[in-house]
Amino acid sequence: DQQVKQNSPSLSVQEGRISILNCDYTNSMFDYFLWYKKYPAEGPTFLISISSIKDKNEDGRFTVFLNKSAKHLSLHIVPSQPGDSAVYFCAAAAKGGGNKLTFGTGTQLKVEL
Amino acid sequence: NAGVMQNPRHLVRRRGQEARLRCSPMKGHSHVYWYRQLPEEGLKFMVYLQKENIIDESGMPKERFSAEFPKEGPSILRIQQVVRGDSAAYFCASSPNGAVFEVQYFGPGTRLTVT
Repeated sequence: DQQVKQNSPSLSVQEGRISILNCDYTNSMFDYFLWYKKYPAEGPTFLISISSIKDKNEDGRFTVFLNKSAKHLSLHIVPSQPGDSAVYFCAAAAKGGGNKLTFGTGTQLKVEL
Repeated sequence: NAGVMQNPRHLVRRRGQEARLRCSPMKGHSHVYWYRQLPEEGLKFMVYLQKENIIDESGMPKERFSAEFPKEGPSILRIQQVVRGDSAAYFCASSPNGAVFEVQYFGPGTRLTVT
């Protein structure tokens, strides 16, 4: 049972444009969400997070939006840069869930020149 | 380097051998998490440990897998009698206090290959 879903395995965007990565979840107990970026042969690197009491969090070029009623979140990267090319994972945690993160399967972002 | 350290980075074992994976958390972090990533999949939680305590092992296979985080030294993930299906990337993460709204920082991973 995939509780966190990233339905787009890949996304291609031109440099300077906006990248929008999507994530859906099914477990209504999730109340903390994180985005990680991962390069090949490296560990995931934390990007940005959001708790369920907010609907938006911004950090530089990265903004995460949370729509609790739709159980949907998205990561916006603007402007996109070639160095952003990586796999992006959405992860979720539930209060009382023992701190374990439940990950999506990832979206491969390619930013083209 | 103040980040999460894992060693070895690559480990090759024959079927039936034991694999030991080590993780040193970030300085000041006392909570460690192990995740496994199979090819073409996301990361799956295995176990969450605090010094000398296993807090949550709900993601650990019931047999052959064990984890510890002693008072001194790194956290160890041990896989006995490895099988081909154990081939994966194993990631360790750490956090300072184990609070829910707390970022987990990941190490570079150990890539285990079972031949």
